[in-house]
Amino acid sequence: DVKVTQSSRYLVKRTGEKVFLECVQDMDHENMFWYRQDPGLGLRLIYFSYDVKMKEKGDIPEGYSVSREKKERFSLILESASTNQTSMYLCASSLWSQGLGQPQHFGDGTRLSIL
Amino acid sequence: AQSVAQPEDQVNVAEGNPLTVKCTYSVSGNPYLFWYVQYPNRGLQFLLKYITGDNLVKGSYGFEAEFNKSQTSFHLKKPSALVSDSALYFCAVRATGGSYIPTFGRGTSLIVHP
Repeated sequence: DVKVTQSSRYLVKRTGEKVFLECVQDMDHENMFWYRQDPGLGLRLIYFSYDVKMKEKGDIPEGYSVSREKKERFSLILESASTNQTSMYLCASSLWSQGLGQPQHFGDGTRLSIL
Repeated sequence: AQSVAQPEDQVNVAEGNPLTVKCTYSVSGNPYLFWYVQYPNRGLQFLLKYITGDNLVKGSYGFEAEFNKSQTSFHLKKPSALVSDSALYFCAVRATGGSYIPTFGRGTSLIVHP
């Protein structure tokens, strides 16, 4: 079965810390995504990657960076955490297949609190 | 640009009654349309998708959705709701010839009352 694993379910960090959120998929998917989910705002795309070492900004990249050194792993980095980055973070992956409308597969999320 | 509207923040239905969760979309060209469900403290799970062909699409857990091109809608339906269907539902769209990045609606909370 398809599996997207996020390293932490809950995380508490302090303002100014550098925070790493890790995501691993075991499906050999080309595409990987990072979203944040906030009540009333739905899912907002932070970054996505369509291949190893490739990345593109999403709708809200400010304050974040990403790393994809291996196909199965996509890391989200909060360079200097701020309280407005307290949120639920969701990782997703999908096959690159333009013609087949492949769905995304999501991890269970990391609920991050910045104090 | 592509967009999705889920006009209801919350839908309430009694167990055993039919349910509908509404979704309308805007996209250049033909759409790929998706429904996902999110249970508390979990990620999104794929329910069903429309790519082409029959306008009525069947998916997991007895859900189905009807694609209506003229009304640009893709409403999620189930003939008989269960209490366990209570969750957050997201509609998503992406253009067939464009970016492979989908756009999500804001979600609709479905509450099924016993």
